[in-house]
Amino acid sequence: QQQVKQSPQSLIVQKGGISIINCAYENTAFDYFPWYQQFPGKGPALLIAIRPDVSEKKEGRFTISFNKSAKQFSLHIMDSQPGDSATYFCAATGNAGNMLTFGGGTRLMVKP
Amino acid sequence: DAMVIQNPRYQVTQFGKPVTLSCSQTLNHNVMYWYQQKSSQAPKLLFHYYDKDFNNEADTPDNFQSRRPNTSFCFLDIRSPGLGDAAMYLCATSRELATYNEQFFGPGTRLTVL
Repeated sequence: QQQVKQSPQSLIVQKGGISIINCAYENTAFDYFPWYQQFPGKGPALLIAIRPDVSEKKEGRFTISFNKSAKQFSLHIMDSQPGDSATYFCAATGNAGNMLTFGGGTRLMVKP
Repeated sequence: DAMVIQNPRYQVTQFGKPVTLSCSQTLNHNVMYWYQQKSSQAPKLLFHYYDKDFNNEADTPDNFQSRRPNTSFCFLDIRSPGLGDAAMYLCATSRELATYNEQFFGPGTRLTVL
């Protein structure tokens, strides 16, 4: 059973546009929600993460919005650039320690 | 500076021929993880070490084994690779097992099984 559902599977955005990726989770024990960025042939790298005691976290062009009651969180990429083209994974972890439960991934393509 | 190093980057093996993948880290982290990532899928945790303590995920096949001879190195052994084991294998580390500890991933080893 997939505990973190991610959508869309793929996304095409024009340069300068806003990319939005959504995730929903089921396990209320999750209490840390990182986003990973993965370029082809590379390992995932932590992009930004949020704890459930805040509703939003912003780092540069990247923002996480978190809705605890709805058990949903999303990644917004403002002013999307071709260099942002990658696969993005949301993840969650909680009282089982540091074991990441990944969403299915979103392949983002930003067109010039 | 490289922090999590995986060797080789590409490995080709024959069906049933044992293969070993290597991971080393310069972060002095206590925890090392091995993930399997198939094409267009999320990484799937196989097992992890906290120091010398080995923890196997319940659904990891017996065909997959691991060794951690010291803090810096960890190996993934696939005893009899099948065609279904072709994937990217990712090594990751974290300082501790507690939540909020970032996992640092290596670049991966892409395994091809002929």
